[in-house]
Amino acid sequence: SAVISQKPSRDICQRGTSLTIQCQVDSQVTMMFWYRQQPGQSLTLIATANQGSEATYESGFVIDKFPISRPNLTFSTLTVSNMSPEDSSIYLCSVIAGVGDTQYFGPGTRLTVL
Amino acid sequence: AQKVTQAQTEISVVEKEDVTLDCVYETRDTTYYLFWYKQPPSGELVFLIRRNSFDEQNEISGRYSWNFQKSTSSFNFTITASQVVDSAVYFCALTYWGKLQFGAGTQVVVTP
Repeated sequence: SAVISQKPSRDICQRGTSLTIQCQVDSQVTMMFWYRQQPGQSLTLIATANQGSEATYESGFVIDKFPISRPNLTFSTLTVSNMSPEDSSIYLCSVIAGVGDTQYFGPGTRLTVL
Repeated sequence: AQKVTQAQTEISVVEKEDVTLDCVYETRDTTYYLFWYKQPPSGELVFLIRRNSFDEQNEISGRYSWNFQKSTSSFNFTITASQVVDSAVYFCALTYWGKLQFGAGTQVVVTP
């Protein structure tokens, strides 16, 4: 498995501002992902964070809104830009570790946009 | 396209009752993994079990057991003798190219 930390754990932000979420893993991992969980909903994949190259975004998510950095194999950031109340969600990073494509998740960042 | 269906929105049981969560999936891949995750009220997502598409052997791990049937594309999960600490949302998930497709989740409420 892997130990994953996220900062901040929660935040309350004003409309139109941006927030950068950090994800730190205790070991080097190849695959790292960012998910969004809107209130009362399931998890939706935002993008795959690629080390040394641009992230790969899923349909409905764009780099201008959710820029992602992956400077090395243990760290990534997700920025939520120009926020609106619809961006209020839990944002989770995950990594593949161990066998069988098992993904382990960070504790999540609970974002509220006013 | 991959799809995971959890038809049960919420299940309420009294402590010590068994709980079975249903999961039906769709995929064109011949090799894939299926997972169950638990999300307690605190919000973190906890990995519970994994099953690969080539292994239909059903297993028991403590109070957890699972029934994987490839012929019906189902991957059901049972909690035996439920406890209040089992109260959480449970997600079934399917891999595709290393990514996860989640079902909608089933809320399990266990009352004393």
